[in-house]
Amino acid sequence: DAGVTQSPTHLIKTRGQQVTLRCSPKSGHDTVSWYQQALGQGPQFIFQYYEEEERQRGNFPDRFSGHQFPNYSSELNVNALLLGDSALYLCASSSTLELVDQPQHFGDGTRLSIL
Amino acid sequence: GESVGLHLPTLSVQEGDNSIINCAYSNSASDYFIWYKQESGKGPQFIIDIRSNMDKRQGQRVTVLLNKTVKHLSLQIAATQPGDSAVYFCAENLNRDDKIIFGKGTRLHILP
Repeated sequence: DAGVTQSPTHLIKTRGQQVTLRCSPKSGHDTVSWYQQALGQGPQFIFQYYEEEERQRGNFPDRFSGHQFPNYSSELNVNALLLGDSALYLCASSSTLELVDQPQHFGDGTRLSIL
Repeated sequence: GESVGLHLPTLSVQEGDNSIINCAYSNSASDYFIWYKQESGKGPQFIIDIRSNMDKRQGQRVTVLLNKTVKHLSLQIAATQPGDSAVYFCAENLNRDDKIIFGKGTRLHILP
């Protein structure tokens, strides 16, 4: 049973560029959340997708956008990259169908470096 | 074992001793709490969770204690092993479909 998978694992971009990160949720999960983790910090919530729509959003600018596909996989897009966007981007999945508490499961992230 | 004050970034524990990692959470309305372990180069890994209607829950070698009066959460690891070396985060949600709010994390360092 595959867990949450993210691609690519590492990425280097320059300021002003755009980037797309990808996530496949754990089998059976229908909800995907994205988090940004700066070095030495805890993950910060970016947004959550369910039924192909953004359901919740954290305190991130509109440069951060996302998408969820019918197969529940998701993309995170960041436009006009800034040096401060350098971080580990984590995807987490969960299921709304579970009747008991099921925590969000995380992938190993994409390490984004902005030069 | 060794207990630590809140927000201490690093905890060093002798192998075989018990570890206690403390955390203060922010929202008195939070209903669900989770401890995650994050090893270098990896994503957060679920350890144990607890609902607000409980004050203690036990897993394999781990116990979570919840004190809602003072908004305090702790993780106890019995017989700490080298593989327990990682950063540990407490996290909270208002409900299990909500965003997770992470604490600052504590690095657990195991002494030989």
